[in-house]
Amino acid sequence: SQQGEEDPQALSIQEGENATMNCSYKTSINNLQWYRQNSGRGLVHLILIRSNEREKHSGRLRVTLDTSKKSSSLLITASRAADTASYFCATDAVGNNDMRFGAGTRLTVKP
Amino acid sequence: DGGITQSPKYLFRKEGQNVTLSCEQNLNHDAMYWYRQDPGQGLRLIYYSQIVNDFQKGDIAEGYSVSREKKESFPLTVTSAQKNPTAFYLCASSTTSGGGAQYFGPGTRLTVL
Repeated sequence: SQQGEEDPQALSIQEGENATMNCSYKTSINNLQWYRQNSGRGLVHLILIRSNEREKHSGRLRVTLDTSKKSSSLLITASRAADTASYFCATDAVGNNDMRFGAGTRLTVKP
Repeated sequence: DGGITQSPKYLFRKEGQNVTLSCEQNLNHDAMYWYRQDPGQGLRLIYYSQIVNDFQKGDIAEGYSVSREKKESFPLTVTSAQKNPTAFYLCASSTTSGGGAQYFGPGTRLTVL
């Protein structure tokens, strides 16, 4: 079963704007990851945040994690048309040996 | 070139036929995974393997089978028992099972005619 749920399902913005996507999950986790998928392709790992971390940065990406609310957010700053893709969160639940992916947020960045 | 490859990219199957999807990695990863993705949906775990000669069922293993005879290879067979096999299949690998970053192949799109 899917552990994470992304919100919104779809997001459309203009180039240069910031994009924020949210992920909620149900059980205690060891870490949470964000992935990107271009249409018809495999997923690409973006960033991993551990349960004892609250914020992490990687280039134009900023991820936050609130374990008390069981939620995470992915912020893409100064978006570009090339950021158009689907973004998925994946959780590694405590006691499991696999990850669970959400249904994704479909981001469209208009030039 | 290090990476994970899947073949074929597109696969067509007649109803009632078994078909095998290939997944190979040269990243020296111990763990490998198979996921199914339906249009507009997230990934659902079919099978995963933490080590050679060992594998576990995921959430939707019915109608599928796997083997892990070599570290580099984790083929997936879609059997005739899988009632709705048309989907996009993704293979991934990671250094260890559990919460490490997963590296994905380009996927195989299976269509049942």
